[in-house]
Amino acid sequence: EVQLVESGGGLVQPGGSLRLSCAASGFTFSNYAMHWVRQVPGKGLEYVSAVRSNGGSTFYAKSVKGRFSISRDNSKNTLYLQMDSLRAEDMAVYYCAVAVGATLDAFDVWGLGTMVTVSS
Amino acid sequence: QTVLTQPPSASGTPGQRVTISCSGSSSNIGSHTVHWYQQLPGTAPKLLIYSNVQRPSGVPDRFSGSKSGTSASLAISGLRSEDEADYYCSSWDSNLLGLTFGGGTKLTVL
Repeated sequence: EVQLVESGGGLVQPGGSLRLSCAASGFTFSNYAMHWVRQVPGKGLEYVSAVRSNGGSTFYAKSVKGRFSISRDNSKNTLYLQMDSLRAEDMAVYYCAVAVGATLDAFDVWGLGTMVTVSS
Repeated sequence: QTVLTQPPSASGTPGQRVTISCSGSSSNIGSHTVHWYQQLPGTAPKLLIYSNVQRPSGVPDRFSGSKSGTSASLAISGLRSEDEADYYCSSWDSNLLGLTFGGGTKLTVL
């Protein structure tokens, strides 16, 4: 079964750091670009970051550029999101997602999400 | 701000046909494909339509997508109570050089 499981969310103070992980299984992780999408509770989806299959190319939304860093370990089938200088507006559910069976940027597999709370 | 515009809400009665629009520009919908997601309360989004009109395996043919120029639409026919959810469109944007989502439409089945 194709599956993504996020972890690492929690409560952090403004200005703090957190590292999210996304463990993948059921597909050849190293063949696919991986993505992070976030959602403030009660609000819409925001595309946050992406990394190509070999880790060589990355994308960041303007709202997180310079503060977040995406990476992957293909030997561990795991995707990461290092989040530094966290702000109140970063508080959201963070999903990892991948386009396995559809087309390049149509995410047909999502994790359940991990909640990041930024508060003092 | 979102570059893809959706109505915040839509509604219909069981059995009705409902459409949800997604309006963009030449940098996104006008030159890239559109995908649609369904998000039931408390769950992760689910891919409903990809590449404008394609349905992933398992998605009922009550759901259909279309695209014309810089706009796209999701149609749901034979509306059911379980269709009550939030619906999002998405498309690549050449100006942002990234994926973008619409603001979402909350569908209520009356």
